[in-house]
Amino acid sequence: AQSVTQPDIHITVSEGASLELRCNYSYGATPYLFWYVQSPGQGLQLLLKYFSGDTLVQGIKGFEAEFKRSQSSFNLRKPSVHWSDAAEYFCAVGPGGATNKLIFGTGTLLAVQP
Amino acid sequence: DAGVIQSPRHEVTEMGQEVTLRCKPISGHNSLFWYRQTMMRGLELLIYFNNNVPIDDSGMPEDRFSAKMPNASFSTLKIQPSEPRDSAVYFCASSLNLEKLFFGSGTQLSVL
Repeated sequence: AQSVTQPDIHITVSEGASLELRCNYSYGATPYLFWYVQSPGQGLQLLLKYFSGDTLVQGIKGFEAEFKRSQSSFNLRKPSVHWSDAAEYFCAVGPGGATNKLIFGTGTLLAVQP
Repeated sequence: DAGVIQSPRHEVTEMGQEVTLRCKPISGHNSLFWYRQTMMRGLELLIYFNNNVPIDDSGMPEDRFSAKMPNASFSTLKIQPSEPRDSAVYFCASSLNLEKLFFGSGTQLSVL
């Protein structure tokens, strides 16, 4: 079955600290992978996506993610977190060019301590 | 670009009442999606339209839910009659040729 798992429901980090949010997927074909961010009261915004090529992808707001096929993972990272990064983060997987078939994870809520 | 516009932002209604949620997609986008977000089930795709035609409504929970897209710039999601378990955040999203999704800010629905 196709699925996305975000094992951490809630994470708290200090401002300036590094961040890694985990995402594991189960997908029958070559996956297209996405990270979305949802700020309070807002819709989801695309942070970055991986289709092919370099397994380390750069996104907006200083985020990056690394695709590791052997581990079925697509973890999101940021070297230094800012207070404005507090939000909920969603990993998603699906076939390329078919956003109607995206499967979203249940999200990780990030809190940032001053 | 104004982005995807949803109205209302918040809706509180009583069980049994009809609820209509509205969405204006980004101009030029040819696909529109309705999602429901709850704590228990996360983000679920309810229905999507391509060129104003409903393509996949397998996610619509039951006959109480219906969605229309009379033209390229407007869509509605209707619940009749509403039930407390319909309480959720409903998102509309649009895309061009099923590429990147652009989400609206959502409608927070509370059915009492």
